[in-house]
Amino acid sequence: AQKITQTQPGMFVQEKEAVTLDCTYDTSDPSYGLFWYKQPSSGEMIFLIYQGSYDQQNATEGRYSLNFQKARKSANLVISASQLGDSAMYFCATPIYNQGGKLIFGQGTELSVKP
Amino acid sequence: GAGVSQSPSNKVTEKGKDVELRCDPISGHTALYWYRQSLGQGLEFLIYFQGNSAPDKSGLPSDRFSAERTGGSVSTLTIQRTQQEDSAVYLCASSSDGETQYFGPGTRLLVL
Repeated sequence: AQKITQTQPGMFVQEKEAVTLDCTYDTSDPSYGLFWYKQPSSGEMIFLIYQGSYDQQNATEGRYSLNFQKARKSANLVISASQLGDSAMYFCATPIYNQGGKLIFGQGTELSVKP
Repeated sequence: GAGVSQSPSNKVTEKGKDVELRCDPISGHTALYWYRQSLGQGLEFLIYFQGNSAPDKSGLPSDRFSAERTGGSVSTLTIQRTQQEDSAVYLCASSSDGETQYFGPGTRLLVL
């Protein structure tokens, strides 16, 4: 069964610095994907970035990039030039494709950006 | 365009009452998912609808929970005889491509 592990319950970063949020995954499927979502205090889950297992390059979306290391089964999110508005919970997730793509989530990391 | 919407945004109810939570997916999205987010359990899948196919109800925690999707669009999650452990945030998501799911703002349910 797929499993996502996020080992950092909380992280602090200084404004304008970069931060890496860890995510490791466990799956036996040859084809899989990894998602990152942001959940601010308002509660909505906001899609940030996606990486497919067959993608040759690491995914990037603006200040977000995904450090994808298949051998280590890790898909860490890198946020560059942190902003105060980046303070939120961040969830890593993977879909179970043969079950309609339902998402399996990690425990989440709470990021706090200091001014 | 409009995102996923959910109503109500907050719901307080008494133990034993029934509640209905509504989700309006993004127009044209064929897949719709319900998740529950609670302090003790994290984010859990509840149920999945895809077009006119039979829903995947494998995540529903008990037979007090049910959901329907009318006309392939709006979905209603019903919890009968609510219990205090049902208190959580209920999140709805929709998808068009079977990949990226876009979430609504959630319904915060508190059972007293």
